[in-house]
Order: sequence, then C-alpha cells, then structure tokens
Amino acid sequence: DTEVTQTPKHLVMGMTNKKSLKCEQHMGHRAMYWYKQKAKKPPELMFVYSYEKLSINESVPSRFSPECPNSSLLNLHLHALQPEDSALYLCASSQGVRGRQGVQYFGAGTRLSVL
Amino acid sequence: GENVEQHPSTLSVQEGDSAVIKCTYSDSASNYFPWYKQELGKGPQLIIDIRSNVGEKKDQRIAVTLNKTAKHFSLHITETQPEDSAVYFCAAPYTGANSKLTFGKGITLSVRP
Repeated sequence: DTEVTQTPKHLVMGMTNKKSLKCEQHMGHRAMYWYKQKAKKPPELMFVYSYEKLSINESVPSRFSPECPNSSLLNLHLHALQPEDSALYLCASSQGVRGRQGVQYFGAGTRLSVL
Repeated sequence: GENVEQHPSTLSVQEGDSAVIKCTYSDSASNYFPWYKQELGKGPQLIIDIRSNVGEKKDQRIAVTLNKTAKHFSLHITETQPEDSAVYFCAAPYTGANSKLTFGKGITLSVRP
C-alpha cells in the first residue's frame, strides 16, 4: 500500500483565518514533504522533513508553518494567507532521502482557496 | 543544480497507438528517474521509475528507457487507452540533495477514442 492521506480535500479561507492541512502515511516512511502546485504547473517544493526534523525550507513565507508531530503525521499551519496562495497543496512521503529510497509517493492534495 | 526539460508539452494520439514522452536532464550524477501521472483533481501518481544502472524497464504497457550518455530518458506507452489521458511529469533528483526532485514542466496526453 502506497497511500498518503490528506485532509481536508477542499478548504476555503479568508485572509485573516488560521487553518491547518493534515497529512498521514503508514508506510514507515521517514521523509515527508509539502508541495504547492498551481494550475498547469509542476509541483513546487516547500518543505522536507527527514526523521521528523526539518531538513529543507525553500524560502517559504512565514505565513506557512510546517509541523511534524511524529513519523506518520505532517501538518501545514496557515495564517494570514494571500489570494495568490490559492493552489493545490500536496503532501508526499518517501522511505528515505538517498537514491531510490527518495522515490516519493503523493497524496491527493488539498485544494485551497483564499478569499 | 538539476535542469529537467520535457518535450513535447502536449500530445494527442488515437486510441491504440503508442505515445512517447522524452525528458532531458543536466546532472550526470543523477541516479534515478521517476515518472508521475496526474489526473484531473488528483495528486501525482508514481507510474514507473528507472535507476541509472539500468537502460530499460517495463511494466505491462508502460516502459521507460534511459540514455545516460545523451542524458535523456523517455516514457513509452503502448496500446493507449482513454484512461491514459492525463498530465505526465518526469523528474530527476537535485544535485547534492536527493530528497529534492526537479520536475519537468509536464505534458498533457490526450487519447482520442
């Protein structure tokens, strides 16, 4: 089973709201990722957690705050977003981060609309 | 860093025909190359990948070939079906940080019934 589960599937929020996106995997993977994807574009990496520690932050604005409570869960906390942050947010996981262990499996995504 | 280019950007084929999508990469140190299929409203799904020590890999109607000298790899889909219609992304690991993937821009494949 290569399942990564993301909730919610859809989210509409105002610019002053605080919300969280959740991601879960039970494959024993030790690396988890957040991506942002705009329409007709490839996924754009935001954050990488390896063994529950943040290893890559792609200069993402502080209104996006990731959290990895344990090896199976990944959250993305959202606060004071802008309309241009509207996108599909994808979570992925991989067994590790080296070689073919870095092959990533994606969730279905959360479609976020910021009004 | 890695630079991945994908050609063409759109491809339309008749059902039953073959489709070939090609990607080029820049970093000769890259050691595996995944292909993802993304259907409308869904996340990218890994469909096949190839390691740099192998020249070809097949899985039913899908195959991937790798030419390390020319630094390109291609996805081959035979006997295409309407459900193969989707956006396909190739990817390669970013130099020095295998946890980062560089994606191609994606190709929209349309299979005409």
